[in-house]
Amino acid sequence: DTAVSQTPKYLVTQMGNDKSIKCEQNLGHDTMYWYKQDSKKFLKIMFSYNNKELIINETVPNRFSPKSPDKAHLNLHINSLELGDSAVYFCASTLGTDTQYFGPGTRLTVL
Amino acid sequence: GQQVMQIPQYQHVQEGEDFTTYCNSSTTLSNIQWYKQRPGGHPVFLIQLVKSGEVKKQKRLTFQFGEAKKNSSLHITATQTTDVGTYFCARSNTGKLIFGQGTTLQVKP
Repeated sequence: DTAVSQTPKYLVTQMGNDKSIKCEQNLGHDTMYWYKQDSKKFLKIMFSYNNKELIINETVPNRFSPKSPDKAHLNLHINSLELGDSAVYFCASTLGTDTQYFGPGTRLTVL
Repeated sequence: GQQVMQIPQYQHVQEGEDFTTYCNSSTTLSNIQWYKQRPGGHPVFLIQLVKSGEVKKQKRLTFQFGEAKKNSSLHITATQTTDVGTYFCARSNTGKLIFGQGTTLQVKP
């Protein structure tokens, strides 16, 4: 069984469009994250939710809006996509502040 | 101040050679975690170090945490092609992970 799953795996879209990425974890974890990995493989945290509450918001443009309908799901909606948004987006989850379990990633390409 | 610096950025080795990646911080770390990301894959947790001077081994991998808790290293003995990937150190800070830039290892068979 997949512990942390993301959909879609690949997303190719035009500049200016709005898109969403979904994440689900079946580990019973209480904290979920979104990370962005750029072309140089640098991993940077974007958001963190604990039990559906936003606890970390790292200087991310407000075109990015996370939503957590319950503690097993964390979605990411991106408005007015720009070329610089092209990256791999990883969802992760953890129980407490220890080991993080990452999803398979969503490779977003903005044309 | 919160960043962790990781070197080298890239390393190419012949299969059978050893490999080391280093992680440094200007401030004392409460702990350090190490992750491995295979090409096209996602980061996978390897280990967490907490104690000053701690050394942990996983088969051919040796992880060290400095006495001052400001640096850490990952050493792979006799690399194999399955070791290919990017190795990240990460510090935890108020519930979030701050990753080093990663070291990408290529192994020539």
